[in-house]
Amino acid sequence: DQQVKQNSPSLSVQEGRISILNCDYTNSMFDYFLWYKKYPAEGPTFLISISSIKDKNEDGRFTVFLNKSAKHLSLHIVPSQPGDSAVYFCAARAINTNAGKSTFGDGTTLTVKP
Amino acid sequence: EAGVAQSPRYKIIEKRQSVAFWCNPISGHATLYWYQQILGQGPKLLIQFQNNGVVDDSQLPKDRFSAERLKGVDSTLKIQPAKLEDSAVYLCASSLVARGSYEQYFGPGTRLTVT
Repeated sequence: DQQVKQNSPSLSVQEGRISILNCDYTNSMFDYFLWYKKYPAEGPTFLISISSIKDKNEDGRFTVFLNKSAKHLSLHIVPSQPGDSAVYFCAARAINTNAGKSTFGDGTTLTVKP
Repeated sequence: EAGVAQSPRYKIIEKRQSVAFWCNPISGHATLYWYQQILGQGPKLLIQFQNNGVVDDSQLPKDRFSAERLKGVDSTLKIQPAKLEDSAVYLCASSLVARGSYEQYFGPGTRLTVT
């Protein structure tokens, strides 16, 4: 049973436009959500996070939105740049687990075309 | 600040052989994780250490996988004997869980191919 789902394996957008990556979860005990970016042959790098007490968190071109009732979060990248082309992983932490332990989705490959 | 170091970066072995991976976390990070990432999937936690103690190894195949973090700093993950389905990237990560911040810092990973 996959508790964190990224239903779109890939997404292609034009440079300068908005990229929207989606993530759904099933575990109502998740209280903290993170997005990681991964380039080929590198480990994932932390991008942005959001606590369940918030519905939006913004950091420069990156904004994460959380809809707890729908158990859905999304990452918006505006404007998209070719350097944003990477695999994006959604991850979630449950309130009743060991601090820091996260469950990852399978990732969405974003391609930003010049 | 130095990042998470892992070695080797690549390893090719035959099935039934053994292999070991090494990880040195970011200085001061008490929590260390080992993940297995199969192609096309997200990282799956194998084991989590807090200092030199295991806090979660529920998904570690203990009949063939073992890990240790003897001095609460660097760690090794071993597979013995390897199976074809162990082909994956093995990621090490560390974190400094403080003030409600749970992000993890990953190393570059070791790509294991079992033939």
